[in-house]
Amino acid sequence: AQSVTQLDSHVSVSEGTPVLLRCNYSSSYSPSLFWYVQHPNKGLQLLLKYTSAATLVKGINGFEAEFKKSETSFHLTKPSAHMSDAAEYFCVVSGGTNFGNEKLTFGTGTRLTIIP
Amino acid sequence: SAVISQKPSRDICQRGTSLTIQCQVDSQVTMMFWYRQQPGQSLTLIATANQGSEATYESGFVIDKFPISRPNLTFSTLTVSNMSPEDSSIYLCSVSPGTYGYTFGSGTRLTVV
Repeated sequence: AQSVTQLDSHVSVSEGTPVLLRCNYSSSYSPSLFWYVQHPNKGLQLLLKYTSAATLVKGINGFEAEFKKSETSFHLTKPSAHMSDAAEYFCVVSGGTNFGNEKLTFGTGTRLTIIP
Repeated sequence: SAVISQKPSRDICQRGTSLTIQCQVDSQVTMMFWYRQQPGQSLTLIATANQGSEATYESGFVIDKFPISRPNLTFSTLTVSNMSPEDSSIYLCSVSPGTYGYTFGSGTRLTVV
């Protein structure tokens, strides 16, 4: 069984300040973890993924996330927010060892608002 | 990564009718996944479609309501049958052809009136 909890439904930050979106996971196996972004009326875009390699994962658009097994966390960060970062962000987990053939479990999403 | 063409992008349907959504992938994939995103909510897996066998449905979803076809390794359809306003959602297909990660179609925005 697997689950993911996004701790904040809504985060607001000022442009140019750091972004932190929090995610905790639960999985019976060594998980694969992802962050996806969904801009209004757009499709889902993969920001980054963790699949048991380096624990600090760098993604697109300056985002990164750190896998912390002891804390079962996979928080998403960005040093400096940009107006174009305003979107819905989903933390996603897939368990098991058959990567690519496993179902994904989505968190409830965090809406990121950027204040000019 | 794979490229998915999903059709239609949106539709407005009368209650009691059915809509078939198509997903075409530009590479062969073993599994295709169908998700639903209800208004303002996260994504929920409907079913997993493996070529040559019946789809596997998640709890709360049944084949009579959401029949799926998977005739080959690059194509799948999801039908939303006997629609009601509660079926108004975005429906997405997804694949993972390699280690890149899971790619999603652009979604079908369905409104049932």
